[in-house]
Amino acid sequence: SAVISQKPSRDICQRGTSLTIQCQVDSQVTMMFWYRQQPGQSLTLIATANQGSEATYESGFVIDKFPISRPNLTFSTLTVSNMSPEDSSIYLCSVEENEQFFGPGTRLTVL
Amino acid sequence: QKEVEQNSGPLSVPEGAIASLNCTYSDRGSQSFFWYRQYSGKSPELIMFIYSNGDKEDGRFTAQLNKASQYVSLLIRDSQPSDSATYLCAVRQYGNKLVFGAGTILRVKS
Repeated sequence: SAVISQKPSRDICQRGTSLTIQCQVDSQVTMMFWYRQQPGQSLTLIATANQGSEATYESGFVIDKFPISRPNLTFSTLTVSNMSPEDSSIYLCSVEENEQFFGPGTRLTVL
Repeated sequence: QKEVEQNSGPLSVPEGAIASLNCTYSDRGSQSFFWYRQYSGKSPELIMFIYSNGDKEDGRFTAQLNKASQYVSLLIRDSQPSDSATYLCAVRQYGNKLVFGAGTILRVKS
């Protein structure tokens, strides 16, 4: 399966600021996804990152809050904008190669 | 009704026993089903997938699917303490979207 890396692995941020999370894959993949895992919860899909077009967001998630870029088939970014403590979560990117595989995640704490 | 339901546990089994993890789903049109293992502080790791009714075996793991009953299960034979983790059931929907259950905590006691 593809090797997926994410940066940063963790961060502590102040409310009102923004953080951009990077996801890098070692091979070209068509489909990339961004998930959120809140403390003690399961995974919730934020959006599908589409190469060359706007991301497709799930219900409850909007582009202004979670802008996503997908400039090529190996890279994507997720920005968490105007953060509040409720955004404290683990953010995970995943790629689809018949099955979905997850990156190591970014643990975000908002104070 | 949640789309994918799992008993949150914890499910405690002695070392060497069979652990049985269960999952039900609401979308009758679902075709693909996945089991992920997640250790504390780590990201989910795919351990099994199943697309057809019946059983699928891989080492100590067996996935079972019954589409008529909308039920998928994971059996872990000869459970080891290293199997202690949260097991997430996921169902693929349109657009390759995965919907996850809340996860079952498994504890294997030595």
